[in-house]
Amino acid sequence: DAGITQSPRHKVTETGTPVTLRCHQTENHRYMYWYRQDPGHGLRLIHYSYGVKDTDKGEVSDGYSVSRSKTEDFLLTLESATSSQTSVYFCAISSQGSDRTLDNYGYTFGSGTRLTVV
Amino acid sequence: AQKVTQAQTEISVVEKEDVTLDCVYETRDTTYYLFWYKQPPSGELVFLIRRNSFDEQNEISGRYSWNFQKSTSSFNFTITASQVVDSAVYFCALMQVYNFNKFYFGSGTKLNVKP
Repeated sequence: DAGITQSPRHKVTETGTPVTLRCHQTENHRYMYWYRQDPGHGLRLIHYSYGVKDTDKGEVSDGYSVSRSKTEDFLLTLESATSSQTSVYFCAISSQGSDRTLDNYGYTFGSGTRLTVV
Repeated sequence: AQKVTQAQTEISVVEKEDVTLDCVYETRDTTYYLFWYKQPPSGELVFLIRRNSFDEQNEISGRYSWNFQKSTSSFNFTITASQVVDSAVYFCALMQVYNFNKFYFGSGTKLNVKP
């Protein structure tokens, strides 16, 4: 009932292999995001999407690409995984709020994907 | 640029003690949201509170209370009479309302509550 699911939940992959993480939502929210969590850094934004086929880079986008071909799915791809990309990845979705009622903003995080690159 | 600072990396208290987690933020935006999340050992992010930049009222929810002060750019979180179940990592975050709702997180404070 969370409205957002990430897959896989855990993955171990080898250096140099491509990896794709999937985020799926059932809320029809316009905005979707990928964050990574590393010790000492909190969560940092990798890429985000503000509509189908509309994506942009966050603060730690090097080595990552994304795609959003339909509203409900946002894919994160590591073209050639490196050990520095070992992390926990969180997807998030957000509704676009209204200027008049600031409390209209909803934000939901997925359960996370633990990726280990060996 | 947006920045959230949680200077306390780790705090250890004994059960029933009160504890305050500090959060200081930087932004030039006039409209923004501030959040606190709890991350238990299981790893999920648990939403605790959201506060918009125009609402400086303090909030209390059970043993939890939050003190938002725009004058000092702080949004501190106090747990009264801490319990072992409060042990977790706590994150403070700022959301940019007029920039695609992007989040900026602090580095987190790990709270250890000992029995």
